[in-house]
Amino acid sequence: EAQVTQNPRYLITVTGKKLTVTCSQNMNHEYMSWYRQDPGLGLRQIYYSMNVEVTDKGDVPEGYKVSRKEKRNFPLILESPSPNQTSLYFCASSERQGPTFGRNNEQFFGPGTRLTVL
Amino acid sequence: QQQVKQSPQSLIVQKGGIPIINCAYENTAFDYFPWYQQFPGKGPALLIAIRPDVSEKKEGRFTISFNKSAKQFSLHIMDSQPGDSATYFCAAKEGAGSYQLTFGKGTKLSVIP
Repeated sequence: EAQVTQNPRYLITVTGKKLTVTCSQNMNHEYMSWYRQDPGLGLRQIYYSMNVEVTDKGDVPEGYKVSRKEKRNFPLILESPSPNQTSLYFCASSERQGPTFGRNNEQFFGPGTRLTVL
Repeated sequence: QQQVKQSPQSLIVQKGGIPIINCAYENTAFDYFPWYQQFPGKGPALLIAIRPDVSEKKEGRFTISFNKSAKQFSLHIMDSQPGDSATYFCAAKEGAGSYQLTFGKGTKLSVIP
């Protein structure tokens, strides 16, 4: 089954304790991205990756790190979490844009990780 | 600066009604406009998408209307059902070769029986 998986699904931690949220896709997608979702603010992009070893900042990158050592994995790292990083996090992936538009541009989202930083 | 403005923030309709969600954009380089549907506890999933060279696209009960001159697009849900209750996000993508999606802030739709 084609899917994007995230782990853990739920995490409660304390300020300053480093954590990693893993993301993996089995669709051989080149593009991967992390979003955070907050009430009233919608989906905001944190970081994205166009391919292995190619990453770039999104709209809200402060306090986050990512790496893309393999095509299928794109972990999100919080070196020193703070309460303002309490949020719902989504990983997404997409294949390269095809010659025709439509579902070739579809981003597939993982199930989400709900993070609480105390 | 919010590049895609979505309204309303929430919407309640009765079963069988036709909810309409609106989005407006400023960036004329946007060339792909998808709508994503998100159920509670799930990630967003692509519902329907349109290119700016057509004014309307219909898939089942879902229709996108697109007004290029006004830089607006909207989602209509015909004969809405309680199972359509979800949060809907409009989005826009800029140009060939870009993967980046800019999302609206979302509309929470409740369809009451």
